[in-house]
Amino acid sequence: DAKTTQPNSMESNEEEPVHLPCNHSTISGTDYIHWYRQLPSQGPEYVIHGLTSNVNNRMASLAIAEDRKSSTLILHRATLRDAAVYYCILRNNTNAGKSTFGDGTTLTVKP
Amino acid sequence: NAGVTQTPKFQVLKTGQSMTLQCAQDMNHEYMSWYRQDPGMGLRLIHYSVGAGITDQGEVPNGYNVSRSTTEDFPLRLLSAAPSQTSVYFCASNSPEGNTEAFFGQGTRLTVV
Repeated sequence: DAKTTQPNSMESNEEEPVHLPCNHSTISGTDYIHWYRQLPSQGPEYVIHGLTSNVNNRMASLAIAEDRKSSTLILHRATLRDAAVYYCILRNNTNAGKSTFGDGTTLTVKP
Repeated sequence: NAGVTQTPKFQVLKTGQSMTLQCAQDMNHEYMSWYRQDPGMGLRLIHYSVGAGITDQGEVPNGYNVSRSTTEDFPLRLLSAAPSQTSVYFCASNSPEGNTEAFFGQGTRLTVV
């Protein structure tokens, strides 16, 4: 299964945009790019996913490179409540039951 | 909707004791999985199931057993607890399609002394 690579940590100021990168150079054509976040002392929660086109929802935007070898999760205005660990994972119809998570990116938001 | 429910939330075991961590989901998801998360680390897959009666090993299966007799439940058994199994355990469920989201429980914090 294809792996993802994320920076260990990032910092942002409150109310500024945050761009969280993810590299997935061995992505296959059937892999969906998923993002999850884990708030302190909680289970991971779904943020967004996409296949080829950029995606927007109420929580964030997902920008996918044209070659799909990288993607960026965009938080348009970071709040203190966005401080969490963000995971980028790849899922398809054959591995959706056994998703593997890396260590993710720990986002710190400064007031 | 309860989603994914894990019990207990906290547990302290002595080395060598056995116990079962419970996980139940009410979304009729075919897929369920167990992860462990050590301090400051990401999630590592222990076991997963793609349907009732079907289970398979993940990245770190040693010391754990699972079974899936119903769609709703996926218990994780520790046969003989060891201090190395001190961790937070998360259960997840999802539909088979790659474009569907996974739902996680709130975790069970296990300490083995």
